[in-house]
Amino acid sequence: EAGVVQSPRYKIIEKKQPVAFWCNPISGHNTLYWYLQNLGQGPELLIRYENEEAVDDSQLPKDRFSAERLKGVDSTLKIQPAELGDSAVYLCASSLSARETQYFGPGTRLLVL
Amino acid sequence: GQQLNQSPQSMFIQEGEDVSMNCTSSSIFNTWLWYKQDPGEGPVLLIALYKAGELTSNGRLTAQFGITRKDSFLNISASIPSDVGIYFCAGRSNFGNEKLTFGTGTRLTIIP
Repeated sequence: EAGVVQSPRYKIIEKKQPVAFWCNPISGHNTLYWYLQNLGQGPELLIRYENEEAVDDSQLPKDRFSAERLKGVDSTLKIQPAELGDSAVYLCASSLSARETQYFGPGTRLLVL
Repeated sequence: GQQLNQSPQSMFIQEGEDVSMNCTSSSIFNTWLWYKQDPGEGPVLLIALYKAGELTSNGRLTAQFGITRKDSFLNISASIPSDVGIYFCAGRSNFGNEKLTFGTGTRLTIIP
């Protein structure tokens, strides 16, 4: 069974440019998460989806970050415009439901110059 | 955001040694989880704990859910080269919010 797929794996952009990350969860997983992982830190939740509904986006900086999961399957996280401090790893995870085991993708490593 | 305190931050050990690490929180959790993250990959769940005082093993790994519900411990016996990586604890409160709060990580290095 395929795991969580993320693309791109690496992205280098200049500050003030937009960037988007894509995630395809494990088939049948209703819950999808986006996490931010700064260097030397553990993951921090940005947003959680139950199907196509964002049920927890309290940690998402809404002035520049946006996310969508239109058909309740794959999801896109966007940053516009990117800032230097956004350089980090963006992890996507999915689970059957909110209380089940979360399976993480390999992440997208973003470098903002 | 909040991160749980893990110690030690890093460990340098020889192959075959036992390893102990712990995680503490100022908040009570109903679930404790331990993950391992290899370079360039996402975290992978190792052990899940659901009850205060619970002791659970997974091969050479043993984890305990602290009685106070504010801490957890992970032990690795007879370390091998593939144990190298970063270990994260995570807690979940289950009080209407299923959010996981992760620790700051313990980096394990095995000295040849």
